[in-house]
Amino acid sequence: AQKITQTQPGMFVQEKEAVTLDCTYDTSDPSYGLFWYKQPSSGEMIFLIYQGSYDQQNATEGRYSLNFQKARKSANLVISASQLGDSAMYFCAMREYQAGTALIFGKGTTLSVSS
Amino acid sequence: DAGVIQSPRHEVTEMGQEVTLRCKPISGHDYLFWYRQTMMRGLELLIYFNNNVPIDDSGMPEDRFSAKMPNASFSTLKIQPSEPRDSAVYFCASSPGTHYEQYFGPGTRLTVT
Repeated sequence: AQKITQTQPGMFVQEKEAVTLDCTYDTSDPSYGLFWYKQPSSGEMIFLIYQGSYDQQNATEGRYSLNFQKARKSANLVISASQLGDSAMYFCAMREYQAGTALIFGKGTTLSVSS
Repeated sequence: DAGVIQSPRHEVTEMGQEVTLRCKPISGHDYLFWYRQTMMRGLELLIYFNNNVPIDDSGMPEDRFSAKMPNASFSTLKIQPSEPRDSAVYFCASSPGTHYEQYFGPGTRLTVT
C-alpha cells in the first residue's frame, strides 16, 4: 500500500486565489513527521512546511499552512494568495520516527498559477 | 552556509562506465541521504547515513550501486557498471537531526547512453 497518496496530478488556480493540495498518509507509527516540498521547473527541492504528529496546532509558514487532520490521516497544503512563482510540482512526504525511515514521498501534484 | 553541494551537476556517460557522484552536506548535519528521481518511480530513497554510518540501504537497486561516507563532510554514490536505466536525477540531502527537514542539493542529472 502507498504510504503517501497525492490524488491530484494537476491543479490550476488564478493569481491571488487560495488553493489546497491534498495529501493522505498511511502509518501505524505513533511518531511521525509530515513535510511539503516544492520543486520548480529548475529542479531543486525546496522545503516549505513541517507538521509533527504530536503537534496540537496546524503548522503555518507565511502563505503556506498545513491542514492536519490526524484521525483522517490527511495533511493538506493550503497556499493562500497564489502567485505566478508558485507554479511548480509539490511533494508531500512523511518520516516515521520509531521505524526510523527516511522521507517517503508522494507522486506529487503539479500546480499551475495563471494571471 | 553554502547549502548541500553536489557534483557534477550533469553527467553523460556510456553504458558500462563507472560513475561517481559526490556530495558535501551542510556543516553540522548528522544525517545524509541519497535519493533518485525518475518520471516512472518518482522520488525514492537509495541510502542514508547517520554520523557517517549507513543506516538503511534497502533502496539501493543492486550491487552495481555503492555509497560511502568517509567523513562528515563528504559522501559518494558510485555506479559500476552503469546502465541506461540508471538515467535519473540523483539528489543528496542532509539534516541536523531526526525531526528536522532535509535540505536538498541541486541534484546531478545522469544520462547513460
